[in-house]
Order: sequence, then structure tokens, then C-alpha cells
Amino acid sequence: ILNVEQSPQSLHVQEGDSTNFTCSFPSSNFYALHWYRWETAKSPEALFVMTLNGDEKKKGRISATLNTKEGYSYLYIKGSQPEDSATYLCAFSRSGNQFYFGTGTSLTVIP
Amino acid sequence: EAQVTQNPRYLITVTGKKLTVTCSQNMNHEYMSWYRQDPGLGLRQIYYSMNVEVTDKGDVPEGYKVSRKEKRNFPLILESPSPNQTSLYFCASMPGTGNYGYTFGSGTRLTVV
Repeated sequence: ILNVEQSPQSLHVQEGDSTNFTCSFPSSNFYALHWYRWETAKSPEALFVMTLNGDEKKKGRISATLNTKEGYSYLYIKGSQPEDSATYLCAFSRSGNQFYFGTGTSLTVIP
Repeated sequence: EAQVTQNPRYLITVTGKKLTVTCSQNMNHEYMSWYRQDPGLGLRQIYYSMNVEVTDKGDVPEGYKVSRKEKRNFPLILESPSPNQTSLYFCASMPGTGNYGYTFGSGTRLTVV
């Protein structure tokens, strides 16, 4: 069984704060790392697909970086808004076929 | 609208009674997969399919079967459900195994009593 860890498990921030969280994965045989946003009572939605060491991706106020050599990815949210409240999942793959998800970081943005 | 459709959304059944959860996608995606979500655990992959008639086991395949007779459909079959299969199930698809993310279905909450 392959271990993908996300930290912190949960996070409460004030509206307007910037925040970041971590996804750690095995540093060998890397194929891809995905980030998803999962709102309560909905399905996970893809944020980023990252495949190359040093990748940086951005979508609005959310961005992500990737370090495959040391086995981690960071997700950053700049100027958090209440609508950013969700669980953020990462998923690691060695092959593009099998994906291993972390347990997620639950973000609550307090107005 | 591009989507993955799962049915039913909710299901309560009894131990041993065969059931099928359907999954269909309208995006012509080659790759489809089933996951289960349990409290305190990440999404765990049950089975995946690279294309029609090509399926393979994920991390937790015991007690499940799948088939991929057509590109759009990927049903999950529980031949003899047991209480430890009570879970939230997601079907997901993506165009291939390259630089793509999943599109997830709405989920099926299954309770086996």
C-alpha cells in the first residue's frame, strides 16, 4: 500500500488570509500528482494536474507547486474567501492507471 | 452537459443480495474507475478500466466485480454484499492516462444491513 499524506488535517482561517497545505508522496517512480477540491454534498472537482518536477500551476487565487525529487506538493490560496471552504485532496500516481488519494485538508474560511 | 452519471444515489440493501451500481459518461473518455470513501481514509480505488474490455484491480477489489462492454458504461457489481461494503462510492472518468484530471460522478451512498 502506497502512502500519500496531507497536512494539516484541518485548517480554520479568517477571510482574507492566505494559506497553504502540503501533500507528501513517495519520491520514486513519479507519474502525476492531482489536486481536487471537494465541497460538502458535491463531488470532487479537478484543480490541477502536475506531471513535471518544478511545475507551478495557477487558477485565480489558487496555485500549486511540485517537487518530485523530495516527494511533496504545496497548494496555496491567496486571500481566502468563504467560498474556498472545502476539502482539498491530492492524488498520486506512478503509472497513470492507479491513483492513491490522501485523506484531504479541510479548510474553513471564517467571514 | 459533460458528466458522469451514477445510479442510484442512495441504496439500502441486505447482506447477500446482489446489486449493481451503474455509471455512465457522455464524454467519450477511455479511462474509468470506481472508488470508495470511508471516514478517516482517502478515496480508495476499487477497479479501473483503460478501455472497452480492459479492466484491472485497484487497491481494494475484493467483493466487487466490474465490466466494460461499452465505452460509456462501467457498472460496479456486488455479488454478495456484506456490511463492510457500506460506504460512499464514486465513479470517475478521464480522457486517458495522460495529463488529465478525473470527472467524478455524484456518488452512491450504499448501506448494507
